[in-house]
Amino acid sequence: EVQLVESGGGLVKPGGSLRLSCAASGFTFSSYTMNWVRQAPGKGLEWVSSISSSSSYIYYADSVKGRFTISRDNAKNSLYMQMNSLRAEDTAVYYCARSLAILPCDYWGQGTLVTVSS
Amino acid sequence: DIVMTQSPDSLAVSLGERATINCKSSQSVLYSSNNKSHLAWYQQKPGQPPKLLIYWASTRESGVPDRFSGSGSGTDFTLTISSLQAEDVAVYYCQQYYSTPPYTFGQGTKLEIK
Repeated sequence: EVQLVESGGGLVKPGGSLRLSCAASGFTFSSYTMNWVRQAPGKGLEWVSSISSSSSYIYYADSVKGRFTISRDNAKNSLYMQMNSLRAEDTAVYYCARSLAILPCDYWGQGTLVTVSS
Repeated sequence: DIVMTQSPDSLAVSLGERATINCKSSQSVLYSSNNKSHLAWYQQKPGQPPKLLIYWASTRESGVPDRFSGSGSGTDFTLTISSLQAEDVAVYYCQQYYSTPPYTFGQGTKLEIK
């Protein structure tokens, strides 16, 4: 069974940092592109970042470029997002999701809530 | 970036009736190399992550009931639920995954029972 379990969310002050993790199981992690998608409270979905299977290709939304860093460890079946210089508008549930080649995300985790507030 | 616009923002349909949600992209998401529109539909119920329903604009994901269908090509797309069931109450999103990111979503359409 495919499982994606996010962790690392919490309450952080503006300007602070947080590191999200996503533990994957039930599939060959190293074969998949991994993604972070977020959803602000009561709002829609926003794609945040993607990393290819071998980390050769990395993309960011303009809203997080220069502040967030996506990475993965295929030996540990894990995806990460280092979030620096956090702002109130980064408050959201952060989902990790897998995708294959030129297909959309087919499995999503349950998400982890990040709250940026003083 | 490609902008995705859904209509309507909300929709109320009687049980057993047809529900139709539209999605328009600001540029074509038809990929010439495979002649497929890179457009997906997701369903999100409260407190849950999104669930993939449709990809390539019209291909149903495994396990998705056949009352859900997708159509369209290029810039204009439609998600149809042929006979609305109570469990279909949710917010529905379209997303383009054309070429390289950003892979933008529509703003969502909230579907309720009339």
